Amino acid sequence: NAGVTQTPKFQVLKTGQSMTLQCAQDMNHEYMSWYRQDPGMGLRLIHYSVGAGITDQGEVPNGYNVSRSTTEDFPLRLLSAAPSQTSVYFCASSYSTFEKETQYFGPGTRLLVL
Amino acid sequence: LAKTTQPISMDSYEGQEVNITCSHNNIATNDYITWYQQFPSQGPRFIIQGYKTKVTNEVASLFIPADRKSSTLSLPRVSLSDTAVYYCLVVDNQGGKLIFGQGTELSVKP
Repeated sequence: NAGVTQTPKFQVLKTGQSMTLQCAQDMNHEYMSWYRQDPGMGLRLIHYSVGAGITDQGEVPNGYNVSRSTTEDFPLRLLSAAPSQTSVYFCASSYSTFEKETQYFGPGTRLLVL
Repeated sequence: LAKTTQPISMDSYEGQEVNITCSHNNIATNDYITWYQQFPSQGPRFIIQGYKTKVTNEVASLFIPADRKSSTLSLPRVSLSDTAVYYCLVVDNQGGKLIFGQGTELSVKP
């Protein structure tokens, strides 16, 4: 199993550009989530999904969209990038909502918005 | 939302026991409290989780009092390879969202 994979590893954007961060898992996990990690602030939940076709907002959802058309994939879309979205983004998955605290993380995507 | 508080950093020496405490309020009553370890340029990795009292696995112990307003991760006899950032994770009691602590940067010296 590859586990949780994320692409790209690193991206530079200009303010106002849009892009999609890809996340995929091959463990047939129901629960998937996106976090951003900023110095001194830990990991903050952006969006999460409890299964295909179901998504919900986390702690810091503004400026981000998600969709979950398949169990495997959970892309995160930045609609119009801003410098405040410079961060490291992690995708994670869990077997189910009942075990959501046990998360498997991807390697992260470093995003720089100029 | 649930709120968590962890020390920002801790120093230790090889062979010592390290205890990291996370204070948390407004957490769900029926969900686990979980701890993660993160090395630079990697995603966090699960260490241990518990509901109440004490849980032990091959790498750590977790102590959770009856009121569940805090949890303490205990790392016995740390080594240099335990140098990392440690996060507690709780579940918010309104909506069930996952909330991470700010992280404790542990530095183990020889």
